[in-house]
Amino acid sequence: GENVEQHPSTLSVQEGDSAVIKCTYSDSASNYFPWYKQELGKGPQLIIDIRSNVGEKKDQRIAVTLNKTAKHFSLHITETQPEDSAVYFCAASPQTGANNLFFGTGTRLTVIP
Amino acid sequence: DTAVSQTPKYLVTQMGNDKSIKCEQNLGHDTMYWYKQDSKKFLKIMFSYNNKELIINETVPNRFSPKSPDKAHLNLHINSLELGDSAVYFCASTKGGGRQEKLFFGSGTQLSVL
Repeated sequence: GENVEQHPSTLSVQEGDSAVIKCTYSDSASNYFPWYKQELGKGPQLIIDIRSNVGEKKDQRIAVTLNKTAKHFSLHITETQPEDSAVYFCAASPQTGANNLFFGTGTRLTVIP
Repeated sequence: DTAVSQTPKYLVTQMGNDKSIKCEQNLGHDTMYWYKQDSKKFLKIMFSYNNKELIINETVPNRFSPKSPDKAHLNLHINSLELGDSAVYFCASTKGGGRQEKLFFGSGTQLSVL
């Protein structure tokens, strides 16, 4: 089955700096890659996703890039703010087989004011 | 208006007990899920139901039994609780069959087995 690895496990940045979180996946059949943000005491929320037919997608301060050849994708947050502090999860979903999302192990991002 | 609501938020119980967690979604979604998040924050799917029909049943001990009385509800019953069952359990839903769709999560139930 799919195996998603995520790095780093913790990340601290100064407010206003950029943050980058990287993930790799193993199954070349995966073609959907969402990112979820989990704030303290809450469930994860989708913040952005990308499909394998595009290499990059942006939504205001967040962007995701995908390299299908290398099987890795990254989340970029620019001009970080304290409210960006949370745990971020990447995930991958194969286009065939059981309908399932395989999550990475999470990155705890702390934005220091 | 909470989209996916689960109760209770906290559940503390002794080993060997039986407990249930309830989940309801008011989004009109067709598919509901249970996810388990362990102490290291790892999220793993346990079950999914589409219109009351079991779709995904990952390798979960048969002490865990999901029940879906209708497509808006998916409850999780756990028999003979063990220490290793301690985790946060999240209910979630997707609009359609779930394939590569946005997951809407509840706020979680923190289960502590003593």
